Amino acid sequence: AQSVTQLGSHVSVSEGALVLLRCNYSSSVPPYLFWYVQYPNQGLQLLLKYTSAATLVKGINGFEAEFKKSETSFHLTKPSAHMSDAAEYFCAVSDGRGGADGLTFGKGTHLIIQP
Amino acid sequence: KAGVTQTPRYLIKTRGQQVTLSCSPISGHRSVSWYQQTPGQGLQFLFEYFSETQRNKGNFPGRFSGRQFSNSRSEMNVSTLELGDSALYLCASSIAEGGEQYFGPGTRLTVT
Repeated sequence: AQSVTQLGSHVSVSEGALVLLRCNYSSSVPPYLFWYVQYPNQGLQLLLKYTSAATLVKGINGFEAEFKKSETSFHLTKPSAHMSDAAEYFCAVSDGRGGADGLTFGKGTHLIIQP
Repeated sequence: KAGVTQTPRYLIKTRGQQVTLSCSPISGHRSVSWYQQTPGQGLQFLFEYFSETQRNKGNFPGRFSGRQFSNSRSEMNVSTLELGDSALYLCASSIAEGGEQYFGPGTRLTVT
């Protein structure tokens, strides 16, 4: 079984400040890890993914995430927040075996950007 | 290349009715997955189809069903609607099973 825990249902940062969204996972097999973003009334858009290659993964819109096996973490960061980053962010894990149960998502973190 | 499309975008139904939602995957994608998103339960996997066959199913009652056609388009059906079925239903497609998923905008179902 696999699971994802996102620490903090709401995170508020000032525009220009560092964004850090936390994600911890559990998986019985080497995981595939993903971060998705969801804007209001829209579907999910893939930000980045880890598939056992480089541990530091760069994604779209200036986001990146680092896979740390020892900490079972895959935290999402962005050096400087922009107002347009305000959205819901989801971390997800897949065992990559072929979608045995699809993606397992965390509960999501609502990112608020203060002007 | 056009993205995943879902119809309708918004739907209001009465408790006890049934509903059918449609999903057209990205051209060339053969796998379609469905998810239910609610404020309380978050995103939950419903089922995954590949080559017209249901490959995996989440922990939902039998009122939830789906199918996939030869052109990879998929439909999901919910019978005997309950108030708790009110949710955003998301469809995602991928080239193959377990591949990177691309999500549609969702269908917002409200059950009154």
